[in-house]
Amino acid sequence: EAQVTQNPRYLITVTGKKLTVTCSQNMNHEYMSWYRQDPGLGLRQIYYSMNVEVTDKGDVPEGYKVSRKEKRNFPLILESPSPNQTSLYFCASTRGGGETGELFFGEGSRLTVL
Amino acid sequence: GIQVEQSPPDLILQEGANSTLRCNFSDSVNNLQWFHQNPWGQLINLFYIPSGTKQNGRLSATTVATERYSLLYISSSQTTDSGVYFCAVPGGGKLIFGQGTELSVKP
Repeated sequence: EAQVTQNPRYLITVTGKKLTVTCSQNMNHEYMSWYRQDPGLGLRQIYYSMNVEVTDKGDVPEGYKVSRKEKRNFPLILESPSPNQTSLYFCASTRGGGETGELFFGEGSRLTVL
Repeated sequence: GIQVEQSPPDLILQEGANSTLRCNFSDSVNNLQWFHQNPWGQLINLFYIPSGTKQNGRLSATTVATERYSLLYISSSQTTDSGVYFCAVPGGGKLIFGQGTELSVKP
């Protein structure tokens, strides 16, 4: 089954404790991205990657890092999480390339930073 | 940049009713997507519809690119249709999302 898989789905952590949210897709898509969703602010892009070893900042990259060492994986790293990073996070994979392709979301990861 | 507006912002239906959700965009686009966010937060891809009409079961979508709008039709609504419906178009190197229509279907 074609899918985008994120882990963990739910996480409560404390300020400053590094964490990684993994994302994997099995559709051989080149373009992947991360979004966060907050009440009243909608979906905002954090980072995107057009291919292996090619990543770029989205609208809200501060406090996040990403890497793209393999086509299927695109982890999101919070080096020193803070409470303002409490949010619902989505990884996405795009068929057809870039922002004009068809986007598929992972199931979401609900993160709480205390 | 491109603006995306959805209407209505909220909609309450009785089970079995039909509804039409609208998405207006301010500039020409070469694709448009509709998503459903269910009450558990999952975002489901409904339609990828740059133009024309597509149907999937009780749902269908029509995009009139020349007039810069898209419509999502839900027929014979069910309680499982509840959630938020988003449309999104490409702009500035990323997808621009509308603010959503929150649909509540009552049994």
